[in-house]
Amino acid sequence: TQLLEQSPQFLSIQEGENLTVYCNSSSVFSSLQWYRQEPGEGPVLLVTVVTGGEVKKLKRLTFQFGDARKDSSLHITAAQPGDTGLYLCAGAKSNTGKLIFGQGTTLQVKP
Amino acid sequence: NAGVTQTPKFRVLKTGQSMTLLCAQDMNHEYMYWYRQDPGMGLRLIHYSVGEGTTAKGEVPDGYNVSRLKKQNFLLGLESAAPSQTSVYFCASSPWDRGRTDTQYFGPGTRLTVL
Repeated sequence: TQLLEQSPQFLSIQEGENLTVYCNSSSVFSSLQWYRQEPGEGPVLLVTVVTGGEVKKLKRLTFQFGDARKDSSLHITAAQPGDTGLYLCAGAKSNTGKLIFGQGTTLQVKP
Repeated sequence: NAGVTQTPKFRVLKTGQSMTLLCAQDMNHEYMYWYRQDPGMGLRLIHYSVGEGTTAKGEVPDGYNVSRLKKQNFLLGLESAAPSQTSVYFCASSPWDRGRTDTQYFGPGTRLTVL
């Protein structure tokens, strides 16, 4: 059972365009994380959001945690070829020590 | 610090063969995890450990065994490999930080093919 649904699964855009990736669930999470993974490597943590409604910015990336802590979004402004990769969201349940991952969004930014 | 390391990086097995994947971390983390990653399915948890000498089942544990004899090492074993176990395997570790264990640090992965 996939508890975290990511959309879209694939995205191919031109350099300079904006995009948003969504991560939705019917479950409440104590925190939600976004990872980025490049081919042949393991995922690397980008950000953790903890509070409902929280917004965090990382240069051109903006992350938002839903008010009810069931969903999140990642917005990239003026995408660059270096943003190409697989983006994964992951939700944490309190005190379980485990993360539940979404299926991932493969982003390709063409120069 | 090397972080999380995995050996081997690549392996090809025949159906029925056995093998062990080794994960090591030098960050003194309490929690360690084994995931498999398949196209379109994200990362699925196989087994995990909350400390030395402990193991627990994750989402897809069948066909795998694990051991955590030392805090820094977490071994994943396949006793009788099957083609369905062809995948990329990732190890991760996580500190116990003020009651939160959600920040995970991943190794580079092991690509396993079972023929």
